[in-house]
Amino acid sequence: GAVVSQHPSRVICKSGTSVKIECRSLDFQATTMFWYRQFPKKSLMLMATSNEGSKATYEQGVEKDKFLINHASLTLSTLTVTSAHPEDSSFYICSARDGKREVTQYFGPGTRLTVL
Amino acid sequence: GENVEQHPSTLSVQEGDSAVIKCTYSDSASNYFPWYKQELGKRPQLIIDIRSNVGEKKDQRIAVTLNKTAKHFSLHITETQPEDSAVYFCAALHHSGGYQKVTFGTGTKLQVIP
Repeated sequence: GAVVSQHPSRVICKSGTSVKIECRSLDFQATTMFWYRQFPKKSLMLMATSNEGSKATYEQGVEKDKFLINHASLTLSTLTVTSAHPEDSSFYICSARDGKREVTQYFGPGTRLTVL
Repeated sequence: GENVEQHPSTLSVQEGDSAVIKCTYSDSASNYFPWYKQELGKRPQLIIDIRSNVGEKKDQRIAVTLNKTAKHFSLHITETQPEDSAVYFCAALHHSGGYQKVTFGTGTKLQVIP
């Protein structure tokens, strides 16, 4: 139980294009999903908290117009990196929490984004 | 906001020895402390967690202790094996701006030498 999938696992794109990453909870309903960014040999940096049916809450310093988050259903959240640049290259990981009262987060496998 | 510090950043132990990783947190209202193991290029996996109303929790070779007064918690791995080699992250759950958030420590790279 508590499986989270993420797609794609790897993506290479040209500078200026947009990339969409999907995060799905496969066997539970996730009222809250989280998007993290991880640089090589670094910790997980929370970018935003995504609540189903409402606007995402972004962390300080994260551009909401650049990193668009949509949580349209209880099992799907998407992160769109708009007008990507090489400095956006990173490992993006989502996590999901099972219901409002459960505190444990389950992570997706991550997406390696490379912007040329 | 919450600040989680983790030490050491790297740790090498001989197979069979114990490994201890320590974390401190700043927000006394934090009430849930998970530990994650992340192998290279893979997702973080929850290995053990502890809530603030408990002082110690054990699961086979892994144990976690929590000292609420001192605001620190530790991960203990006994009888280490090569497959324990990975990066370990501690974390603390707290409230921020009306939401629950998890703040992660900086990670500890554990190497178990056969």
